[in-house]
Amino acid sequence: GAVVSQHPSWVICKSGTSVKIECRSLDFQATTMFWYRQFPKQSLMLMATSNEGSKATYEQGVEKDKFLINHASLTLSTLTVTSAHPEDSSFYICSASGNTREQFFGPGTRLTVL
Amino acid sequence: AQKITQTQPGMFVQEKEAVTLDCTYDTSDQSYGLFWYKQPSSGEMIFLIYQGSYDEQNATEGRYSLNFQKARKSANLVISASQLGDSAMYFCAMRGEGAQKLVFGQGTRLTINP
Repeated sequence: GAVVSQHPSWVICKSGTSVKIECRSLDFQATTMFWYRQFPKQSLMLMATSNEGSKATYEQGVEKDKFLINHASLTLSTLTVTSAHPEDSSFYICSASGNTREQFFGPGTRLTVL
Repeated sequence: AQKITQTQPGMFVQEKEAVTLDCTYDTSDQSYGLFWYKQPSSGEMIFLIYQGSYDEQNATEGRYSLNFQKARKSANLVISASQLGDSAMYFCAMRGEGAQKLVFGQGTRLTINP
């Protein structure tokens, strides 16, 4: 199957700082990437869908100014958590799909905001 | 809109026994896809099996099979001959007609006892 990587795999930051998470499709062109958030013992919650070269489509209740998503190329999407606070601590997972609509998931990034 | 319901928060099974994880769904779409994912403690999402709404046969992948009952709108995952390594969270998900995004259920935590 296709491979999706995320970097970093974990990050600890101070409250008020911004954190950037990268999602890369390593062996296919990802026309669409998805960003999910998962709190402990809960399900994945879709935050936004991004198509290459277009603005991301955010789900209801997700602050687009706080969670900046960029999908500038067919192999890279970034999620920037701006002015992070402890309540933003979570597991962030990306997935990518090409022309088959099948989603391939990255390994996730664990964010802890102190 | 699609909705996925997994009513079993946790399941405990003896090693080598078969286990069925329940999943019901709700949709008004005629064409849709159903997915099962495994999420071990490391957090990665591992694709297990897929069932298309028009597929006449139940999907099977090794020890995994999907008991698809369209009239009941259920898509239960059956794991045969369970192994200790099967202990994980299991998520049922759905993708609607023409949709890009997946809708996930709440998940079931499966624990295999030796």
